[in-house]
Amino acid sequence: DSGVTQTPKHLITATGQRVTLRCSPRSGDLSVYWYQQSLDQGLQFLIQYYNGEERAKGNILERFSAQQFPDLHSELNLSSLELGDSALYFCASSVAQGAVYEQFFGPGTRLTVL
Amino acid sequence: ELKVEQNPLFLSMQEGKNYTIYCNYSTTSDRLYWYRQDPGKSLESLFVLLSNGAVKQEGRLMASLDTKARLSTLHITAAVHDLSATYFCAVVVASGTYKYIFGTGTRLKVLA
Repeated sequence: DSGVTQTPKHLITATGQRVTLRCSPRSGDLSVYWYQQSLDQGLQFLIQYYNGEERAKGNILERFSAQQFPDLHSELNLSSLELGDSALYFCASSVAQGAVYEQFFGPGTRLTVL
Repeated sequence: ELKVEQNPLFLSMQEGKNYTIYCNYSTTSDRLYWYRQDPGKSLESLFVLLSNGAVKQEGRLMASLDTKARLSTLHITAAVHDLSATYFCAVVVASGTYKYIFGTGTRLKVLA
């Protein structure tokens, strides 16, 4: 158990819908990262937040957005869902923002878009 | 285009044997991660390599980084069945901000 929690574990929804994925980092970690894992695209870095502010951006679609709240939990919002958005979404946390710190991954949310 | 290539993609090996997984990347980076993922599970951080020549070892796994060759290796010594998993490398690229680019993964199966 990494100490990172994600909810829900599974999510099934329809095309065109909007969903919110939630992540709570390890106690004391200020940085949160979001990743998408799919058979087509492999593992893709989406976005990073540090202490409430966006710090790095990867291949995140405009239909997706994220934020980190004052209590440091983070939410990833996916809208106008398409079949291709079906994937495992992981969040990870680290103690600080630099790319030198070990990241601890949550168990993931499996999103299925029908 | 930034590329991180791992080879082999699939590796089936006998217990007790040694093997190396290679991670080549196409851009300048001096920071590289190795992760392990068991089927249906999340990722587990194995190593963080921060400089040219860095070498880290944990149990039967040893990782190294050659930033000039843009190459990292993950060496497995005397493999055991418990090492069966998918291994990913990820390169950190600083271009205004940080980007984490993952390799394709190497699926390792250790046969008893």
